[in-house]
Amino acid sequence: DIQMTQSPSTLSAFVGDRVTITCRASQSISNWLAWYQQKPGRAPKLLIYQASRLQSGVPSRFSGSGSGTEFTLTISNLQPDDFAAYYCQQFKSFPLTFGGGTKVEIK
Amino acid sequence: QVQLVESGGGVVQPGRSLRLYCATSGFTLSDYGMHWVRQAPGKGPEWVAVVSFDGTKIYYGDSVKGRFTISRDTSKNTLYLQMDSLRPEDTAVYYCAKGGFGLWPTNLWFESWGQGAVVTVSS
Repeated sequence: DIQMTQSPSTLSAFVGDRVTITCRASQSISNWLAWYQQKPGRAPKLLIYQASRLQSGVPSRFSGSGSGTEFTLTISNLQPDDFAAYYCQQFKSFPLTFGGGTKVEIK
Repeated sequence: QVQLVESGGGVVQPGRSLRLYCATSGFTLSDYGMHWVRQAPGKGPEWVAVVSFDGTKIYYGDSVKGRFTISRDTSKNTLYLQMDSLRPEDTAVYYCAKGGFGLWPTNLWFESWGQGAVVTVSS
């Protein structure tokens, strides 16, 4: 199975900050990676697919990059609505696996 | 617009069975792979199973293989998850999710999600 490791597990930031979340795969997954945002009591929401493609309707302050084993999700100009948990997910091979998550908190 | 509505959750004793339903609308079920993803309390999501767009390919996560069965009825626009031999560690919110566009198996992200069905396995 491909293991996905996210860092940090928790991140404290101010509104307006630029934040970066890292996701590392235990083996190369090319660009077969997606990012999700999840708020308490809600289903996850797709932000990015194929490592860098922005899902329709997602604000452009979200961006994804990387390939192979190292990936980043960047949120520029952090907004109050962005405080949530974020997960990466690989879809290079079965079983599909998620990272452990990063919680973005208000500083 | 895409709508996914899960039902069938509840409280069940260990060793018993439960069937989840996901009513779909706003898209053609036979055009997309469909997944079940679960999330235990306080944990991250865990992928459970997928059925391909054409229904010919089915895959399961290791923790449910041999106990859970995914299926669909395109005439009823409904996805199912039959859960047998349930264990306390199966306690979770179960989401159905629509797969991404494009060619299988390069589209195995979760584009749309339902609101979830709560399953509690406890004696």
